[in-house]
Amino acid sequence: GENVEQHPSTLSVQEGDSAVIKCTYSDSASNYFPWYKQELGKRPQLIIDIRSNVGEKKDQRIAVTLNKTAKHFSLHITETQPEDSAVYFCAASYNFNKFYFGSGTKLNVKP
Amino acid sequence: DADVTQTPRNRITKTGKRIMLECSQTKGHDRMYWYRQDPGLGLRLIYYSFDVKDINKGEISDGYSVSRQAQAKFSLSLESAIPNQTALYFCATSDPPANEQFFGPGTRLTVL
Repeated sequence: GENVEQHPSTLSVQEGDSAVIKCTYSDSASNYFPWYKQELGKRPQLIIDIRSNVGEKKDQRIAVTLNKTAKHFSLHITETQPEDSAVYFCAASYNFNKFYFGSGTKLNVKP
Repeated sequence: DADVTQTPRNRITKTGKRIMLECSQTKGHDRMYWYRQDPGLGLRLIYYSFDVKDINKGEISDGYSVSRQAQAKFSLSLESAIPNQTALYFCATSDPPANEQFFGPGTRLTVL
């Protein structure tokens, strides 16, 4: 099966700085890569996703890049704000069937 | 608002007891999933169902069973609970073409 590794497990940045979270996957057939944000005590919610036919996708302050050859994808958050503090999960899926999640990154944005 | 709900939200039980966690959704989605979340391990898939007649094992199905009673309802059972099944359990739904997974609020299960 697929194996998704996520790094770092914790990340602390100053407000206004950028944050980057990286994930690697093992199954070259995976073709859909979502990112979820989970605030403390809340349910995970999708923040951005990318499909394997696209190398980069942006939505305001967040962006995701995908390198299919190297089998890794990354989440970039620019101009971080305290409300960005949360746990972020990457995931990989083949044709939107089973989803394999990374172990999560706890992002702390210091005011 | 269309939503995904889970009951109970918290449950404490003893080793050996049978437990059922329930998930209901009003999103009209065909696909439903059960995950467990443990610190440092992310979300791991237990079972998933693409329609009422379809049930599939996920990564960690041992010790669990499911029932898809209707399009809107998907239940997870622990036949004989053990302490290492203590975790936060999430139900999720999705549907093509968007395929975004919508999660329920979670059930915190403690097995003593």
